[in-house]
Amino acid sequence: IQLTQSPSFLSASVGDSVTITCRASQGISTFLAWYQQIPGKAPKLLISDASTLHSGVPSRFSGSGSGTQFTLTISSLQPEDFATFYCQHLYNYPITFGQGTRLEIK
Amino acid sequence: EVQLVESGGTLVQPGGSLKLSCAASGFTFSDFDMNWVRQAPGKGLQWISYISSSGTVTYYTDSVKGRFTISRDNAENSLYLQMNGLTDEDTALYYCARDKPRWQQQHWFFDFWGRGTPVTVSS
Repeated sequence: IQLTQSPSFLSASVGDSVTITCRASQGISTFLAWYQQIPGKAPKLLISDASTLHSGVPSRFSGSGSGTQFTLTISSLQPEDFATFYCQHLYNYPITFGQGTRLEIK
Repeated sequence: EVQLVESGGTLVQPGGSLKLSCAASGFTFSDFDMNWVRQAPGKGLQWISYISSSGTVTYYTDSVKGRFTISRDNAENSLYLQMNGLTDEDTALYYCARDKPRWQQQHWFFDFWGRGTPVTVSS
């Protein structure tokens, strides 16, 4: 199963809202997770089951979708949100990740 | 506090072998499935291997099948990755990541990750 994220690069300002899309090459129900990776750090789980916010993750992060189309939305961007975001499917093996979306400060 | 600490990464020649370790603490290691994920320099994340909590079930991505072997020692709270026949395409930061507990049927996420250990394959 291939996961394609769009856009690959995003430039936004503090306070903006942004949406990242992840499209799966076949239906994966809601077996999709989102991660944030700050340079030099390990990935951090944000969302699982397509829309369930992980413990401790701010509510400005939200996810939606099922089947083949998923979105991660970050409302009211904060300085600490600028990072690379990855989607991941856990529908079957091999597990795969999207290619990543780099979010930079405008 | 859950901690995963990888070690064993180093510079190795093409065709060489290496064994990575991941020391787990802060949770009952034998209750959780585990994974290895790697990230080549400047690239994205690539899942490479999975092992069930008991160690009886394993999966690999195609590019490492037959060359890499995942294993675990629940008595030592440790996860391993034996890597043979290394090529420059294996150069990456290798992370271990925690998966579901054994009593869950479905995999939903990797909730804890180590900081990674770097492997460089070069002559």
